[in-house]
Amino acid sequence: VLTQSPATLSLSPGERATLSCRASQSVSSYLAWYQQKSGQVPRLLIYDASNRATGIPARFSGSGSGTDFTLTISSLEPEDFAVYYCQQRSNWPLTFGGGTKVEIK
Amino acid sequence: QVQLVESGGGLVKPGGSLRLSCAASGVTFSDCYMSWIRQAPGKGLEWVSYISASGSSIYYADSVKGRFTISRDNAKKSVYLQMNSLRAEDTALYYCARARGAGPGGWFDPWGQGALVTVSS
Repeated sequence: VLTQSPATLSLSPGERATLSCRASQSVSSYLAWYQQKSGQVPRLLIYDASNRATGIPARFSGSGSGTDFTLTISSLEPEDFAVYYCQQRSNWPLTFGGGTKVEIK
Repeated sequence: QVQLVESGGGLVKPGGSLRLSCAASGVTFSDCYMSWIRQAPGKGLEWVSYISASGSSIYYADSVKGRFTISRDNAKKSVYLQMNSLRAEDTALYYCARARGAGPGGWFDPWGQGALVTVSS
């Protein structure tokens, strides 16, 4: 089970966002992060805990291993307000976290 | 670049069946590991099924095991999801996605646009 916190994060553009994903058992570094804007397809941001996907801006970074992971957005841009999901690929069944909504304060 | 296009969604009665298809282009499909992921209206993402490049390894979520069957045809560059004994709780947008990464499972990139399945009487 992947638990994301907080469920909602209210921030202003330019602020730093810190999103958490906690696994109920170790997933090593096999954790990915996705961004989903309203009405759009999820987009891969980070794979294997800390690797940015192709075309993802450097303001997005991932860290962690084992059971505790963090997605950091260093300075929020208007287009970053969305829902973010983590996903583990270490154990079957593959699972997603419940999501964190980053909303404009 | 890789493009995935789902088809086959629609309205079906509880207990009915539906077959989703996902056609790939821009990639050597026989090298691709594939998955289906769904999203119920207003809800989060739920992984449904996974198939290896050769089709020899297949996995399912507990919620669909015994009712859904994943398959692929590498000559047609397509992956399929046969859904039987459908329930109201199977109502969702179904995405196909390429599963990537050495080792177990995969991360998903890219995703198709999705096929909407509605189970209702």
